[in-house]
Amino acid sequence: AQKITQTQPGMFVQEKEAVTLDCTYDTSDPSYGLFWYKQPSSGEMIFLIYQGSYDQQNATEGRYSLNFQKARKSANLVISASQLGDSAMYFCAGGGTNAGKSTFGDGTTLTVKP
Amino acid sequence: EPEVTQTPSHQVTQMGQEVILRCVPISNHLYFYWYRQILGQKVEFLVSFYNNEISEKSEIFDDQFSVERPDGSNFTLKIRSTKLEDSAMYFCASSGQGWVFTEAFFGQGTRLTVV
Repeated sequence: AQKITQTQPGMFVQEKEAVTLDCTYDTSDPSYGLFWYKQPSSGEMIFLIYQGSYDQQNATEGRYSLNFQKARKSANLVISASQLGDSAMYFCAGGGTNAGKSTFGDGTTLTVKP
Repeated sequence: EPEVTQTPSHQVTQMGQEVILRCVPISNHLYFYWYRQILGQKVEFLVSFYNNEISEKSEIFDDQFSVERPDGSNFTLKIRSTKLEDSAMYFCASSGQGWVFTEAFFGQGTRLTVV
């Protein structure tokens, strides 16, 4: 079973600055994946980035990068050059050998200030 | 870009009624899931489905819930006798790969309101 912990209920960042959203995980699965999803106020769940446990390099997708530190069991999301449209709830999720059973963290509400 | 689509986007139903939430997963995906999110709370796994059968389900997924893939494209979640506490956003998701875990793509959700 997986446990995902997001310790920041809310974060603020100035527009154009970078922000790091924290996520730690705990799992007994030898193979697992970690994800970040964005949920704007409209409610949909938008996939942002994925990191597999065997991936050697940190994942990047445009302005999003995942700072994966296996020894520390952390998978922090870094958003560079924040935009007003980045204001949303961000969920870290993880899953093991069952391809679909993701466990979600409690989420972090990010507010980008102009 | 392929996407998961869900219908309806919002459903209001009376307590005790049956509802069916519909999803069309991404066409070449093999794994299908339902999650729910009670307003203001975290996203919770309900069930995963592969090869025409349930592969895993959570304790939330009790006898009042069922899933079906009635044809090659649709994936449905049925709630037999809705309760007030079933009010939530229900997300369908699909993913392409098996034992190597990969990202799941979510639909836009169906907001179920039980009155």
